[in-house]
Amino acid sequence: TQLLEQSPQFLSIQEGENLTVYCNSSSVFSSLQWYRQEPGEGPVLLVTVVTGGEVKKLKRLTFQFGDARKDSSLHITAAQPGDTGLYLCAGDMNYGGSQGNLIFGKGTKLSVKP
Amino acid sequence: DTGVSQDPRHKITKRGQNVTFRCDPISEHNRLYWYRQTLGQGPEFLTYFQNEAQLEKSRLLSDRFSAERPKGSFSTLEIQRTEQGDSAMYLCASSLIRGLFTDTQYFGPGTRLTVL
Repeated sequence: TQLLEQSPQFLSIQEGENLTVYCNSSSVFSSLQWYRQEPGEGPVLLVTVVTGGEVKKLKRLTFQFGDARKDSSLHITAAQPGDTGLYLCAGDMNYGGSQGNLIFGKGTKLSVKP
Repeated sequence: DTGVSQDPRHKITKRGQNVTFRCDPISEHNRLYWYRQTLGQGPEFLTYFQNEAQLEKSRLLSDRFSAERPKGSFSTLEIQRTEQGDSAMYLCASSLIRGLFTDTQYFGPGTRLTVL
């Protein structure tokens, strides 16, 4: 069983559209990270959310951490072709800062067409 | 800040051969992680070090896999007697732990292994 479920798995949209990607779990996480990965490259960190209910904005990207720290969402406004990539959420379940491994979802593969 | 670097970026080998990958973390980062990512999946944790001590190993890390971080700086991951199922992207990440500070892991570009 996948501890972190991401949906949708694939998303193909036109430039200028809005979209939301979801990351859900039945487990509680002390923090959750969103990464973007391009083919043949390592994941690049976009944001870390720590506090339940937290909302963070990064230009056209808005990240939200659920109140219960079990889920998160990524909303992109007016998507551009440069947003194309694999979006991964990753959570850690270790409190007190002593983080070990990150648990990753399978990712959402986003394609934005001009 | 030079980021996490990995070498080589690509490796093609024949089944049964041994391979070794290197990871250089961000300088002064005391934690170093290894992950494996197969096609269509997110990265899966293999092992991590704090300084030179290997603190956790996943059950994915079979006896054919060994990782070292001898001086608490760079790390190597060796796979002995490679199998076709070992074909994957091997990712290294590093982070800084200070007391209760929640660390963020920064990833390298990965080493793509193909076992023929």
